[in-house]
Amino acid sequence: GAGVSQTPSNKVTEKGKYVELRCDPISGHTALYWYRQSLGQGPEFLIYFQGTGAADDSGLPNDRFFAVRPEGSVSTLKIQRTERGDSAVYLCASSLTGTGGYEQYFGPGTRLTVT
Amino acid sequence: SQQGEEDPQALSIQEGENATMNCSYKTSINNLQWYRQNSGRGLVHLILIRSNEREKHSGRLRVTLDTSKKSSSLLITASRAADTASYFCATASGGSNYKLTFGKGTLLTVNP
Repeated sequence: GAGVSQTPSNKVTEKGKYVELRCDPISGHTALYWYRQSLGQGPEFLIYFQGTGAADDSGLPNDRFFAVRPEGSVSTLKIQRTERGDSAVYLCASSLTGTGGYEQYFGPGTRLTVT
Repeated sequence: SQQGEEDPQALSIQEGENATMNCSYKTSINNLQWYRQNSGRGLVHLILIRSNEREKHSGRLRVTLDTSKKSSSLLITASRAADTASYFCATASGGSNYKLTFGKGTLLTVNP
C-alpha cells in the first residue's frame, strides 16, 4: 500500500510569512508524528497525535508552531511568522498506534527554506 | 536533547565487506530502532528491538542490544554499494514508547 506522503516536497518562503505543511499517513495508522531534521543532525521530535488529539506537543519549539489532525488522518503543521532558523526538513511519520512501541514509518519530508 | 550516539560518525568500506555501527544511549529504553536515510530521501525503518530482546535479524542485517551497557550494534553483512546511506539509531524511553530520540547518525560509504 501507499506510504506516508508529504506535500509540498520543497517550500521556500520569506521571513515573517506563514506556511502550512501537509502529511497524509498510512491508511489505518492512528498515530502520527512530526519531526524536524536540521543538516547533519538526526530528526528531533515535535508532536505526536493519537487519533485527532495532540497527545504530546512537548517538542514544539515555541507558540509559532501549531499542528492539527481534525479527522484523525491528514495532519497539517502550521508555522507562523517564519524565521530563518526554522529552515529544516520537516518529517512526518505514522504508526499503527502510539502505544506498544510500533515501528514508525516516515514520509519523504518537506524541505522548508526561509529566506 | 540527544539520547543515542552513533559510532563511528563515518565509515568507508569495500563492497562485500561487513559494516558494524554502534549506538550508545543514556537512559533506560522501551525499544530501540534503526533507520537508514539515503541522500535526498526519507528515513526507512530497518529493525525494532525491544528492551527484553538481545538480538534480531532481518536479511543481511543483525542488531544486538545490551541493556547493561546501554548500547546496540547494527551489522550489515556482505555490503553493497546500495547500502551507502546514513544510519540512525532511535530510542523510545521514559514514560513513552512513541517519542523517538535520534542520534546524529553514521555515514556509511560502500565503495564498488
